[in-house]
Amino acid sequence: DAKTTQPPSMDCAEGRAANLPCNHSTISGNEYVYWYRQIHSQGPQYIIHGLKNNETNEMASLIITEDRKSSTLILPHATLRDTAVYYCIVRVGDQAGTALIFGKGTTLSVSS
Amino acid sequence: NAGVTQTPKFRVLKTGQSMTLLCAQDMNHEYMYWYRQDPGMGLRLIHYSVGEGTTAKGEVPDGYNVSRLKKQNFLLGLESAAPSQTSVYFCASSPLGGGPTSRTFGSGTRLTVV
Repeated sequence: DAKTTQPPSMDCAEGRAANLPCNHSTISGNEYVYWYRQIHSQGPQYIIHGLKNNETNEMASLIITEDRKSSTLILPHATLRDTAVYYCIVRVGDQAGTALIFGKGTTLSVSS
Repeated sequence: NAGVTQTPKFRVLKTGQSMTLLCAQDMNHEYMYWYRQDPGMGLRLIHYSVGEGTTAKGEVPDGYNVSRLKKQNFLLGLESAAPSQTSVYFCASSPLGGGPTSRTFGSGTRLTVV
C-alpha cells in the first residue's frame, strides 16, 4: 500500500470549511484513497473514498488531483463535533483480513 | 442494533497476569479484526478472522492469541501480560466482500499493564 503524508495538526473555526490535505505520491493506478476519522476515545469511522474522480457524500467532499498524487478532504461547514484525528489511507480494495494502515493522521481542532 | 461491542472497557493488569478481551458483533459479519492503538499512533492489526473457526496473524501478533469459536464473537487473549501491551484495543468487523467502507469498529478497551 502507498505511503501517505499528512500534516500533524490543523485548526478551523466553527462554520468554516476545513480542508485537510494528504500526499500520496507513490500511489498506484488501482489504489483508492480512503478517509477515516477517530473522535477521542472512539473507534475509527469511515468518511469517504475515491479512485480518481471527486466524490461527495453527506459528510464530506474528496478532491483528488489529476495526477492522483495528492488529495484534499473538505468538511464544508465544520462543527465542534468534527474535532478528531483524520486518517488518509491508500490501498487496493479490501482483501480479506488485510490491514488498514492508519498512520498518525491529522488532528483537526474546531473552535467556536 | 448494538453493532460491535467490546468488553471490558477498562482493565488494569499486573505483569504476568492473563486476560481475555471479548468482541461481539450482531451484524452477521464474516470478518473480524483486533487492532491496538498506542499514543500518537495509528491502529495496528494484531490478528484477524475471515470466518468462524479461522484466525490469522496481522502486523503485531506476538504476545497475543485469538479464537473465533462463534461467528459473532472474536476473543483476544493475553497469556502473560507485559507493560509493552499497555494500549487501547479496538475490535472491528466487516461483511463478506465488504471493503473498508463497511468496516465497523467498537469503542475500544483501554488496558494498562503495571
